[in-house]
Amino acid sequence: DAKTTQPPSMDCAEGRAANLPCNHSTISGNEYVYWYRQIHSQGPQYIIHGLKNNETNEMASLIITEDRKSSTLILPHATLRDTAVYYCIVSYNNNDMRFGAGTRLTVKP
Amino acid sequence: GAVVSQHPSWVICKSGTSVKIECRSLDFQATTMFWYRQFPKQSLMLMATSNEGSKATYEQGVEKDKFLINHASLTLSTLTVTSAHPEDSSFYICRPGGGSIQETQYFGPGTRLLVL
Repeated sequence: DAKTTQPPSMDCAEGRAANLPCNHSTISGNEYVYWYRQIHSQGPQYIIHGLKNNETNEMASLIITEDRKSSTLILPHATLRDTAVYYCIVSYNNNDMRFGAGTRLTVKP
Repeated sequence: GAVVSQHPSWVICKSGTSVKIECRSLDFQATTMFWYRQFPKQSLMLMATSNEGSKATYEQGVEKDKFLINHASLTLSTLTVTSAHPEDSSFYICRPGGGSIQETQYFGPGTRLLVL
């Protein structure tokens, strides 16, 4: 069973930052936070992952709270192509990745 | 990152027939393969975990005799849906595992199965 809670849906204006929250209050000390997204009829696409520190790559930034009980995925300049379902997953060493319901992000023009 | 392929990308079959889905890890030797399925408008559900050269471990509620998994090599795992029925229609997705985080964070593109 998923160890995360996400809002079912969010909207974002094109060009603005999309901030997607995730609660993982039961996360263990050695579990990572992963973010994936799934565009309709495709396999999940890896976005970013982190353990304690904030992380940034070419796609997004990941902000993890100091107590690690929640995190936020930030898409700095959302485009229409970022419309997808976003999944937050906690897993140790990514060998056991279980998906919750995710957040359906709709980017609007 | 690792490249993962699945074949076929979609398949339509008659009820009662068997369908084999292949998952290949193209640039990474996967000692483990995770198989998921996804029904329409639902999230991905882990079905089973296979280890190269040994029997797969199935999640609760998944029939091991219906979903046969073979992981005979480090680059190929197959999922066979035996005696398929319409309720088996789903999106099947694999993910190689057993390596570093950087190697095993990638999912296959998925196979859509429609059983008539």
